[in-house]
Amino acid sequence: DADVTQTPRNRITKTGKRIMLECSQTKGHDRMYWYRQDPGLGLRLIYYSFDVKDINKGEISDGYSVSRQAQAKFSLSLESAIPNQTALYFCATSSRTSSYEQYFGPGTRLTVT
Amino acid sequence: SQQGEEDPQALSIQEGENATMNCSYKTSINNLQWYRQNSGRGLVHLILIRSNEREKHSGRLRVTLDTSKKSSSLLITASRAADTASYFCATTETSGSRLTFGEGTQLTVNP
Repeated sequence: DADVTQTPRNRITKTGKRIMLECSQTKGHDRMYWYRQDPGLGLRLIYYSFDVKDINKGEISDGYSVSRQAQAKFSLSLESAIPNQTALYFCATSSRTSSYEQYFGPGTRLTVT
Repeated sequence: SQQGEEDPQALSIQEGENATMNCSYKTSINNLQWYRQNSGRGLVHLILIRSNEREKHSGRLRVTLDTSKKSSSLLITASRAADTASYFCATTETSGSRLTFGEGTQLTVNP
């Protein structure tokens, strides 16, 4: 019954592998975001999308790409995973009419060995 | 660099006490929000205060904003063990709509 879901919840992968993290939402929001969180740190924005045809780079987009397949789906890809991409990844959504409050998914814990 | 910086980084109190966390930021903002994160989970929105507001309340939460000092504080009154979590401030700059998060305060409330 979660409004924002992420798959997988946990993933261990090897250096050099391509990996995709998926996010789906049932809130009907236009805007979706991908963040990463490193231990003891706040969240840093990777990419965001205000609409299906809109993709924008965030603070730390190098090494990542995204795809907004539909209003409800926003996926994050690591082209060639490296160990310093080991982190907790969060998807979030917000509404155009109330764009400041964001709703977060449960997170994906990614480990790159 | 992070827009918001939070102080203290960690806070440990007894149940029933009040907890105060502070956030400072660098640029002009449209609003400031506080989020809560239980260990390893997603963030949950707590409260938003607009740049033209000075104080806002929601249940046991009180947020203040001083735009002249570029700072905000979050007060949790009569804390409970269930309040144990990390608390993050996040700002929206006047020129945009993206959130920039601080590094968070880890609050531990001991029963």
